[in-house]
Amino acid sequence: EPEVTQTPSHQVTQMGQEVILRCVPISNHLYFYWYRQILGQKVEFLVSFYNNEISEKSEIFDDQFSVERPDGSNFTLKIRSTKLEDSAMYFCASSEGTTLGGEQYFGPGTRLTVT
Amino acid sequence: AQKVTQAQTEISVVEKEDVTLDCVYETRDTTYYLFWYKQPPSGELVFLIRRNSFDEQNEISGRYSWNFQKSTISFNFTITASQVVDSAVYFCALSGSGAGSYQLTFGKGTKLSVIP
Repeated sequence: EPEVTQTPSHQVTQMGQEVILRCVPISNHLYFYWYRQILGQKVEFLVSFYNNEISEKSEIFDDQFSVERPDGSNFTLKIRSTKLEDSAMYFCASSEGTTLGGEQYFGPGTRLTVT
Repeated sequence: AQKVTQAQTEISVVEKEDVTLDCVYETRDTTYYLFWYKQPPSGELVFLIRRNSFDEQNEISGRYSWNFQKSTISFNFTITASQVVDSAVYFCALSGSGAGSYQLTFGKGTKLSVIP
């Protein structure tokens, strides 16, 4: 069964460093998403991506964040200068996008720890 | 603005008991979609169900059932004869049809502990 994969599973970085979180969405899906979950809290939407551009983004997704689809399979989230409050689980998701409200399939997440 | 409220923060039940997880939502969209996801201790998010706003039929899948009622803007989830493997955090989520239509708005989750 196709699945969304994410690497690394855990990333530790120092405050101020840049990090890139990687995702491989399901191959025939058209919409890609990043969400984050601070420990013990709810899952929050960051950004959605379609047709090689951002389609929606939340207030959390400020200038420190960027997304890219560098090739036909990977989808990346870059945080330019990490802060302590960026410590969270980051989930990538993808959906077919052919119907509104389609199921979003989530990857296993990358736990980012900023020290 | 969309909002999902899961008033139950934590629930503990003894194995084989039935348990209902509540979800109340708010949206201005006339067409919207409701979801339930399970997050086991391992941390991944597992899709359980999606409902359209124009389909209020209840759904049953094995020990799981969902009760969608637009009149009370609720989408409750019942687990029958609970098992230890059901222990997880369960999230209710909402997506709309207007601006922001593809993003999921999650509730804060309900942590279910099933005690053997």
